Amino acid sequence: NAGVTQTPKFQVLKTGQSMTLQCAQDMNHNSMYWYRQDPGMGLRLIYYSASEGTTDKGEVPNGYNVSRLNKREFSLRLESAAPSQTSVYFCASSQAANQPQHFGDGTRLSIL
Amino acid sequence: EDQVTQSPEALRLQEGESSSLNCSYTVSGLRGLFWYRQDPGKGPEFLFTLYSAGEEKEKERLKATLTKKESFLHITAPKPEDSATYLCAVQGKTSYDKVIFGPGTSLSVIP
Repeated sequence: NAGVTQTPKFQVLKTGQSMTLQCAQDMNHNSMYWYRQDPGMGLRLIYYSASEGTTDKGEVPNGYNVSRLNKREFSLRLESAAPSQTSVYFCASSQAANQPQHFGDGTRLSIL
Repeated sequence: EDQVTQSPEALRLQEGESSSLNCSYTVSGLRGLFWYRQDPGKGPEFLFTLYSAGEEKEKERLKATLTKKESFLHITAPKPEDSATYLCAVQGKTSYDKVIFGPGTSLSVIP
């Protein structure tokens, strides 16, 4: 049971570099989400996709872009990384908006 | 604006010492309240969903309850393996597809 798979698990970037975080789910879920988790801040929603072909901004979208590639995959892109984007990034999926979310194990991203 | 707070921030219990974690919320019409457990270095793991005041759910040593303003996660006779961070999240009727997470309670159970 793979569930939600995130790659990479760890990454170090320099300020100004770009990268894409990958997420895939094998549960045939409709909704997918990207969060960041910082100490003392809890999980904050960056972007979400309620269904294939749609994406919407969450609480902290600035500096990020997303692509819902198909029903299984939802990627998060940092175009020009900044030290303030150092965080742990979690991808999640759910069958519908009011259903429990299933999370991956995160990508730990450091920007120097 | 939907908000979620959790208390205490951290809790240290002796093995077998029962206690409760609190989740207080402000939301315009509750669609659902969720409890998750998060172990270090892992993503949150779903525990319970509660939809209406008065509802209760149980799983092993955990019991979640819901009122119109708060939810409690009761832990009965905890074991060291219950040590984790417990997260509460709410979805309001005006939040559309968004869920708001609280900051969590870090629980340590000492043998």
